[in-house]
Amino acid sequence: DQQVKQNSPSLSVQEGRISILNCDYTNSMFDYFLWYKKYPAEGPTFLISISSIKDKNEDGRFTVFLNKSAKHLSLHIVPSQPGDSAVYFCAASDAGGTSYGKLTFGQGTILTVHP
Amino acid sequence: SAVISQKPSRDICQRGTSLTIQCQVDSQVTMMFWYRQQPGQSLTLIATANQGSEATYESGFVIDKFPISRPNLTFSTLTVSNMSPEDSSIYLCSVDIPGGDTQYFGPGTRLTVL
Repeated sequence: DQQVKQNSPSLSVQEGRISILNCDYTNSMFDYFLWYKKYPAEGPTFLISISSIKDKNEDGRFTVFLNKSAKHLSLHIVPSQPGDSAVYFCAASDAGGTSYGKLTFGQGTILTVHP
Repeated sequence: SAVISQKPSRDICQRGTSLTIQCQVDSQVTMMFWYRQQPGQSLTLIATANQGSEATYESGFVIDKFPISRPNLTFSTLTVSNMSPEDSSIYLCSVDIPGGDTQYFGPGTRLTVL
């Protein structure tokens, strides 16, 4: 039972354009959502998070949108840069906010940004 | 934030042997976790490493196969026992920092079992 799904295995974008990565979840108990970036041979690096009480969170070039009714979130990267090329994981937590606890991850989306 | 190191960074092991992976954090943390990423797959939580008590294992993972130690608030080990090729994965430790903005991950240990 895949509770967090990233249905696009890969995404290819031109430098300077917008990258939109999508994530769907099924567990309504999830109350925190995180996006991680992962390069080969490295651990996941945190990008941005959002609480279930919000519908948008912005940090520089990265914006995460949450649609609770649709159980859907998306990560927007504007403008995209070649250095953004990596695997992006969506993760969810139902720990209640004092800590993140167990994270449930999606399958990941390989983003390639072409110069 | 937290700086996490893991040893070894990679290893190639023979079937039937065991490997112990170490995770060291540069500050005291309450929550430490061990994840596995099988080839082409997502990250899956193996267990929560509890300081001073037995680890809490997720469904599908057992202590005999993945014994975990947590002797203090900055260190943990995960042993992969009686290995088979199906255990070939990246093993990652992670930590929660109280009041922190995320869960931090170590660089991972890439294990290949022949």
